[in-house]
Amino acid sequence: EAGVAQSPRYKIIEKRQSVAFWCNPISGHATLYWYQQILGQGPKLLIQFQNNGVVDDSQLPKDRFSAERLKGVDSTLKIQPAKLEDSAVYLCASSSPASGMGSWVYEQYFGPGTRLTVT
Amino acid sequence: AQSVTQLDSQVPVFEEAPVELRCNYSSSVSVYLFWYVQYPNQGLQLLLKYLSGSTLVKGINGFEAEFNKSQTSFHLRKPSVHISDTAEYFCAVSDSLFGNEKLTFGTGTRLTIIP
Repeated sequence: EAGVAQSPRYKIIEKRQSVAFWCNPISGHATLYWYQQILGQGPKLLIQFQNNGVVDDSQLPKDRFSAERLKGVDSTLKIQPAKLEDSAVYLCASSSPASGMGSWVYEQYFGPGTRLTVT
Repeated sequence: AQSVTQLDSQVPVFEEAPVELRCNYSSSVSVYLFWYVQYPNQGLQLLLKYLSGSTLVKGINGFEAEFNKSQTSFHLRKPSVHISDTAEYFCAVSDSLFGNEKLTFGTGTRLTIIP
């Protein structure tokens, strides 16, 4: 099966410009995630969608970041205006359930990421 | 709130030697634990996961990890490493709430294999 697709793979912009990233999840995966991975750190969840509804956006800087998932499939993440500290790799992931002791834990599959450099 | 601590930011190991990458977690509820590997310029790939049952979990590429509830640890091991194992390794924890399975990652351990 095809994996999670992301584009572009690399993007360089100047501060105060805007940028958008695109993600196409694995077919049939209802849950989609956007993570920010700053150099030297682990990924940090920005936003989680279940179909086209937001489950968790508590760590999304809403004054400059926005995300949408139209029709519950593809998703876009936008930054406007960008700051120097937004330089990072933006990872998209989608998930399907895996069983465990009567509960369902979603196993996440990651795309290759978009490396953003803000100058 | 859950958290993950990876005690070593970098681990150099000679080729064909054994390796252990350490991970400790804290969580107020039942936990599900994961190890992901990230090769240069690539996304994260799942190595193995602990959901329930046997505390010794085997994953891909010859890696295994042991869940130790009393020590709140989930260390990753491989008996003999290869050059191709050079990568960043991330430990992650998820809580058991259905439909809200947020993954919390550690800061990663960079494994460097010395020929």
